[in-house]
Amino acid sequence: GDQVEQSPSALSLHEGTGSALRCNFTTTMRAVQWFQQNSRGSLINLFYLASGTKENGRLKSTFNSKESYSTLHIRDAQLEDSGTYFCAEPYGSSGNKLIFGIGTLLSVKP
Amino acid sequence: EAAVTQSPRNKVAVTGGKVTLSCNQTNNHNNMYWYRQDTGHGLRLIHYSYGAGSTEKGDIPDGYKASRPSQENFSLILELATPSQTSVYFCASGLWGGSYEQYFGPGTRLTVL
Repeated sequence: GDQVEQSPSALSLHEGTGSALRCNFTTTMRAVQWFQQNSRGSLINLFYLASGTKENGRLKSTFNSKESYSTLHIRDAQLEDSGTYFCAEPYGSSGNKLIFGIGTLLSVKP
Repeated sequence: EAAVTQSPRNKVAVTGGKVTLSCNQTNNHNNMYWYRQDTGHGLRLIHYSYGAGSTEKGDIPDGYKASRPSQENFSLILELATPSQTSVYFCASGLWGGSYEQYFGPGTRLTVL
């Protein structure tokens, strides 16, 4: 069945630096949704992409349906960026269900 | 204003007891979902619904029932709670057709003793 693999599983950044998180899919992608789970446990919608690239502030996400992967780029990391980042892919005959990766734990340090 | 709300936010139940988790959405979305989150598994789909009166089994439905009495409300029911159902439960809503994007509630932490 469909699987979603996230890498790395954990990442530590110093404030002001940046990095990329990756999400690989085993089947042809319809779209990808990225979330941040913050310290209170809330799931915050970051991006939804069905193609191309989207940018919001210090975050940018790309979608490569041909090679079945998506990336989330974080630049100028801040302490409040700490948390777990999840990607999810629609699946099922109508694409109305989401399958999640197990997340990347990001720690931003002063 | 929060568009997907859940109640209760925290619940302690006893083994064998009945637990009902409630979800309300003001997004006017057709689809609603219940997921559970456990360490090492990400979020996994329990039940979902296409609209009032409909419920469908997700990937891990055993031990759970669902009820969708209206467009806005979707409940998850544990008839006989077990310690293995200790978890964080998330409700979500989404449109039917077009975008597959889902919007999540704040979660309910359930502990079954």
